[in-house]
Amino acid sequence: DIQMTQSPSSLSASVGDRVTITCRASQSINSYLNWYQQKPGKAPNLLIYAASSLQSGVPSRFSGSGSGTDFTLTISSLQPEDFATYYCQQSYSLPRTFGQGTRLEIK
Amino acid sequence: QVQLQESGPGLVKPSETLSLTCIVSGGSIRSYYWTWIRQPPGKGLEWIGSIFYTGSTSYNPSLKSRVTISVDTSKNQFSLNLSSVTAADTAIYYCARDLKDISARYFDYWGQGALVTVSS
Repeated sequence: DIQMTQSPSSLSASVGDRVTITCRASQSINSYLNWYQQKPGKAPNLLIYAASSLQSGVPSRFSGSGSGTDFTLTISSLQPEDFATYYCQQSYSLPRTFGQGTRLEIK
Repeated sequence: QVQLQESGPGLVKPSETLSLTCIVSGGSIRSYYWTWIRQPPGKGLEWIGSIFYTGSTSYNPSLKSRVTISVDTSKNQFSLNLSSVTAADTAIYYCARDLKDISARYFDYWGQGALVTVSS
């Protein structure tokens, strides 16, 4: 199985901050990397697919980059509704695997 | 707008079989892959398996011996059976569409989730 490791596991930030979350794969996954946002009591919501493609309807302050084994999710200017848990997920091979999550909290 | 809705018992006894159904509305189940994902309370996400509308399946090896996913195109729904459950199978179970693009594959539509508790 491909292991996905996110850092940090938790992060405190303020509205307006620029935030970066990192995801590392245990082997190369090309650009088969997706990012999801999950709010308490809700299903995950797709933000970014194929490492850098913005899902329809997702605000442009979200962006993704990377290829191979190292990827980043960046939020350019945090908004109150962005405080949530973020997961990366690889779709390069089976079984599909997720990172452990990064909890983004209000400072 | 595609919508997915999980249904099934919220309580299952140890050693019995967990059964859930996902009803797809707002679009056809044909031509797509569909998946089940679970999340133990307060923990991360685990992929259970996927099915193509033709019935072709792929499962997580960690659960493969206990999992069956099936599809009913006439009812626009797909189902999950997980046998011999234990307390470790207590989780929120999500169904999702597994979209396969030219150079990408991702879960773009999700159900709201169904909490299943394994307890006697």
